[in-house]
Amino acid sequence: DTEVTQTPKHLVMGMTNKKSLKCEQHMGHRAMYWYKQKAKKPPELMFVYSYEKLSINESVPSRFSPECPNSSLLNLHLHALQPEDSALYLCASSQPTGAVNEQFFGPGTRLTVL
Amino acid sequence: GENVGLHLPTLSVQEGDNSIINCAYSNSASDYFIWYKQESGKGPQFIIDIRSNMDKRQGQRVTVLLNKTVKHLSLQIAATQPGDSAVYFCAERGSGGGFKTIFGAGTRLFVKA
Repeated sequence: DTEVTQTPKHLVMGMTNKKSLKCEQHMGHRAMYWYKQKAKKPPELMFVYSYEKLSINESVPSRFSPECPNSSLLNLHLHALQPEDSALYLCASSQPTGAVNEQFFGPGTRLTVL
Repeated sequence: GENVGLHLPTLSVQEGDNSIINCAYSNSASDYFIWYKQESGKGPQFIIDIRSNMDKRQGQRVTVLLNKTVKHLSLQIAATQPGDSAVYFCAERGSGGGFKTIFGAGTRLFVKA
């Protein structure tokens, strides 16, 4: 299984809502990532977990809260978002160390904040 | 700071021709480079990678060339097919084997039948 799955595919939420994005992989990868991608732009790294511990936080606002409950799952909790947070949120996974870093991406969650 | 960019935002080629997508990077300490393909509605898909101790690497119909002297990376696609139409991103990873991968701006490839 070389697939990263993400749910939901689409999400519309108001600025006062609380929602969560979910990501799952069963490739035995111990590094998992969240990226944000605006239209016609490249993915921008938000968070990296390595062995279920937060390794990188790219100065992401606290209204985005990541969680890695186990080696296969990665969540992104959303609260009090702004309309400019509307984007495609991509999850990826990879081997945690080594000379190469091939990341496997999920299809993304298309988020719209009203 | 680190910057990975592309010379051309769009590229249009005839089906069957070869495609060349270029990328410039500015961090001479980067040790690993990757090309990703992103189709509409999908996440990026790994195409091919190359380490900084190599100049060329070939895959199935794709070749990546790395010129460290001028900090330039290219992706060559042989016999381009309609299914190759997508946005292509180059990406670099800094030295030390870390997790941080920085993506370039992307090039949209159109394949004309």
